[in-house]
Amino acid sequence: DAGVIQSPRHEVTEMGQEVTLRCKPISGHDYLFWYRQTMMRGLELLIYFNNNVPIDDSGMPEDRFSAKMPNASFSTLKIQPSEPRDSAVYFCASSRGQGTVGYTFGSGTRLTVV
Amino acid sequence: AQSVTQPDIHITVSEGASLELRCNYSYGATPYLFWYVQSPGQGLQLLLKYFSGDTLVQGIKGFEAEFKRSQSSFNLRKPSVHWSDAAEYFCAVGAKTSGTYKYIFGTGTRLKVLA
Repeated sequence: DAGVIQSPRHEVTEMGQEVTLRCKPISGHDYLFWYRQTMMRGLELLIYFNNNVPIDDSGMPEDRFSAKMPNASFSTLKIQPSEPRDSAVYFCASSRGQGTVGYTFGSGTRLTVV
Repeated sequence: AQSVTQPDIHITVSEGASLELRCNYSYGATPYLFWYVQSPGQGLQLLLKYFSGDTLVQGIKGFEAEFKRSQSSFNLRKPSVHWSDAAEYFCAVGAKTSGTYKYIFGTGTRLKVLA
């Protein structure tokens, strides 16, 4: 298994531009999570899906952020328009079930908004 | 609401020395507890987990953790640290809130290993 695959690994964009981060979860995993990691705030859960349906998006910072999961093997996190304070590492994670299982994380996308 | 505290931001140990990383949680019932490790430029990797049964759990890479209900702690230990253990370690708590599970990560402890 290739694990959770995220792309791109690095993204540098100008303020105001649209940014799309991509994630391919592990096959058979029914939960998908998007996290943001910063020095100031640590790891924050942005949103998570169960069977492609968004369950909890209370961590999405504002309307500029949106996430979709059109099928079981693909999810996107979009920021439009991007701002410098969005600079962070964004992680996607997936799991089979929830609760007692741990997550498998992707390698992350380092986003820099200049 | 549940919370996780990792009181040590940085820890430095010599190679071969023993290690203990602290984690305290706050939750009304027994939560699900996890330790993850993050190497530079990488995602988090699950080291071990606890949700019931034996309070001493074994994980990968020679790590173990002990759940102590009376102290609300889940400390991570390793008897002899290797230079490759240098990384950041995160404790996480999973608990059911309003019908759904919420996972909260601690702020992490960065481990430095001296040769």
